[in-house]
Amino acid sequence: DTGVSQNPRHKITKRGQNVTFRCDPISEHNRLYWYRQTLGQGPEFLTYFQNEAQLEKSRLLSDRFSAERPKGSFSTLEIQRTEQGDSAMYLCASSLGAGGSYEQYFGPGTRLTVT
Amino acid sequence: QKEVEQDPGPLSVPEGAIVSLNCTYSNSAFQYFMWYRQYSRKGPELLMYTYSSGNKEDGRFTAQVDKSSKYISLFIRDSQPSDSATYLCAMIYNKFYFGSGTKLNVKP
Repeated sequence: DTGVSQNPRHKITKRGQNVTFRCDPISEHNRLYWYRQTLGQGPEFLTYFQNEAQLEKSRLLSDRFSAERPKGSFSTLEIQRTEQGDSAMYLCASSLGAGGSYEQYFGPGTRLTVT
Repeated sequence: QKEVEQDPGPLSVPEGAIVSLNCTYSNSAFQYFMWYRQYSRKGPELLMYTYSSGNKEDGRFTAQVDKSSKYISLFIRDSQPSDSATYLCAMIYNKFYFGSGTKLNVKP
């Protein structure tokens, strides 16, 4: 499968714990995006990378959230001291960037439940 | 006011019906317009995108953009039960802005 992959698919954690999600984009895509989606809502932009550079962060991304893309390939999203309000689907997408930036391909998402 | 407004539905239609899904937006700077389909517990899947006002057709799907009215539509002809999903509109101005999605149910 050459699409975007995300791991884990599901994560249940207790409030206050740290969690880390991984996204592997389509191999030739240099842009990688993270979104958060809650029930009944569309995806909300969190941050994106052009290669290894993090170019934009939403104000939704509090200081408990950090994302990295160390070698311009896979990316990780870490949430520290999780809160119940962090429960959501975390989606990753990738695109070629520049002229192909409107064609984002999404992964299956990581569903986070904070108890 | 949200940047992109979309009726959440649910919209229930019989198989074979023509479906019309719509979004309105407030920012005239939006350029690219897209429609995504999202099945339950899956990531969104890009259906169609368009840049300018007018119509774009792809099989049973037609995307329509009216920039003067800040209104976009997706039409599905001969709807099938497999079309049952949530449909998200999305627009770009520096970054992606998504509607909240319309849940469609096509009854056999």
